Amino acid sequence: DAGVTQSPTHLIKTRGQQVTLRCSPISGHKSVSWYQQVLGQGPQFIFQYYEKEERGRGNFPDRFSARQFPNYSSELNVNALLLGDSALYLCASSFGGNTPEAFFGQGTRLTVV
Amino acid sequence: RKEVEQDPGPFNVPEGATVAFNCTYSNSASQSFFWYRQDCRKEPKLLMSVYSSGNEDGRFTAQLNRASQYISLLIRDSKLSDSATYLCVVNPSTGNQFYFGTGTSLTVIP
Repeated sequence: DAGVTQSPTHLIKTRGQQVTLRCSPISGHKSVSWYQQVLGQGPQFIFQYYEKEERGRGNFPDRFSARQFPNYSSELNVNALLLGDSALYLCASSFGGNTPEAFFGQGTRLTVV
Repeated sequence: RKEVEQDPGPFNVPEGATVAFNCTYSNSASQSFFWYRQDCRKEPKLLMSVYSSGNEDGRFTAQLNRASQYISLLIRDSKLSDSATYLCVVNPSTGNQFYFGTGTSLTVIP
């Protein structure tokens, strides 16, 4: 079975640009969460989606947005990129509900120059 | 105050040693708890869930003390392959909005 897949794996953007990151959850998983991990820190929660509805939002500016599609895949969009947005962006997949264990994709490493 | 606090280490231990990591969390209503392992430049991988009764998986033992809001991970008979960063993770609700500690770095030395 395929695990959580994210694309692209690496990305270089310039300040002010916009970026879209993609995630396909494990088959059967209905919940997708997004995290940002900067070097030397633990991942920080950005968004959670369950059954195509936003269920949680972390402390990130409105430049960050996300959505979940009917097939449970998800996109994370970041507008007006700043140098500080350079990080590893991780997608986590879980059944949701009373099954909280989450499994992470390999991440997208975003570099803003 | 951070949601989850961990000693970042680093911990450098010889092969065969026993090492313990600790973690505290601030939200007393937190629902579920985990330890994840993260290798350099890789994604976090679930090591084990943590239950109030404590749980063991081979050389790894996890404990949860809800009264003290404290989570621990014990690794016995350390192997070189245990070298990684160990992340303490708390889920404050029934959703999947995890709060991560900064991670504790472990290096097992031959």
